[in-house]
Amino acid sequence: QSALTQPASVSGSPGQSITISCTGTSRDVGSYNLVSWYQQHPGKAPKLMIYEVTKRPSGVSYRFSGSKSGNTASLTISGLQAEDEADYYCCSYADSNTPWVFGGGTKLTVL
Amino acid sequence: EVQLVESGGGLVQPGGSLRLSCAASGFTFSTSWMHWVRQAPGKGLMWVSRINSDESTTTYADSVKGRFTISRDNAKNTLYLQMNSLRAEDTAVYYCARVGLAGTAFDIWGQGTMVTVSS
Repeated sequence: QSALTQPASVSGSPGQSITISCTGTSRDVGSYNLVSWYQQHPGKAPKLMIYEVTKRPSGVSYRFSGSKSGNTASLTISGLQAEDEADYYCCSYADSNTPWVFGGGTKLTVL
Repeated sequence: EVQLVESGGGLVQPGGSLRLSCAASGFTFSTSWMHWVRQAPGKGLMWVSRINSDESTTTYADSVKGRFTISRDNAKNTLYLQMNSLRAEDTAVYYCARVGLAGTAFDIWGQGTMVTVSS
């Protein structure tokens, strides 16, 4: 299984909205509603932000939302804040042999 | 407090072995699917291995198959990763993680342990 495709970097100003795309195939993103998104600050462990494409775990800000169309999932962050600056990774269930595949990661810069 | 704490990382020569441990607390470890995920320096996340609650199912990424072995001790609430025939490309931070939320996402992560394979 190849990694999911994400843009290397995105940026936005405080208060703006940004969207990060995550493109897979019909064997992973396109087949399962098991797309999740993780936020990772430098030197820290990843943190779950979105699961099952659109759901937010308890404690995650409403400013984070997810969607999916076909083989592409998206993470949208509205009302950008300085603390949102981090790396973001998408992840999808794939199959029983290689159950989970991650995207290459997107570095979000808050200008 | 829900927690995963990895240990056992370090510097090892190519061809060497290392065993990582992950101590769990604050949740029902014995019924959880557990995983190892690694991150090479400056790179993205890569799924490595998984194990089900009673060790009857284990799965590995192709790049580590035949060299790494995942196991667990539910009495000790501990997950393990035995790594043999280590290569330079295995150099990474290794995270243990739980797939929870009804099997839908990695909802609990450890802080990671660094493994460096170098002569």
